Amino acid sequence: GIQVEQSPPDLILQEGANSTLRCNFSDSVNNLQWFHQNPWGQLINLFYIPSGTKQNGRLSATTVATERYSLLYISSSQTTDSGVYFCAVATGHAGNNRKLIWGLGTSLAVNP
Amino acid sequence: DADVTQTPRNRITKTGKRIMLECSQTKGHDRMYWYRQDPGLGLQLIYYSFDVKDINKGEISDGYSVSRQAQAKFSLSLESAIPNQTALYFCATSDSHRETQYFGPGTRLLVL
Repeated sequence: GIQVEQSPPDLILQEGANSTLRCNFSDSVNNLQWFHQNPWGQLINLFYIPSGTKQNGRLSATTVATERYSLLYISSSQTTDSGVYFCAVATGHAGNNRKLIWGLGTSLAVNP
Repeated sequence: DADVTQTPRNRITKTGKRIMLECSQTKGHDRMYWYRQDPGLGLQLIYYSFDVKDINKGEISDGYSVSRQAQAKFSLSLESAIPNQTALYFCATSDSHRETQYFGPGTRLLVL
């Protein structure tokens, strides 16, 4: 099945710094989502981005489907950005019981 | 009010006991999912349902069963709990068009 690898596994930043998180996948996908899990365990969907670029405030994401990777950019990081960032992908047709395959995440700590 | 709710939020049980975790959603989505998260790992899919009459096994369905009582309700049962089922359990929903997944707050389960 499809493999999802995220890097780096861990990242420590000072508040105000920028960072780039990477998600590589082993096969072509037509569904890719980025999630943030905060230190209390809550999972929030950040982007649905099977291709192209999207921005939401200080966060932006780019997926280059032909090269099988996606990047999540965090600018001017804040302590509330701490937590684990997950990439999840799916392949196949939307109607054919398609389900997400998850990476192991990047654990981010932003220090004040 | 939260769009996806889970009950209970925390549960301690003993080996061999039967327990049920419940999920309700007010998002009007047709698709619902149950995931398990072990410490330091990504999410693994237990079961998913694309409508009330559709139930599918995920990656790790052994030892679990589910019931889709209505479009808005999807429950997960552990017929005879064992210690290695200690984990954080998430319910999620999506619709068939956008496929973005939305998560409940999670249930922390400890099996002694």
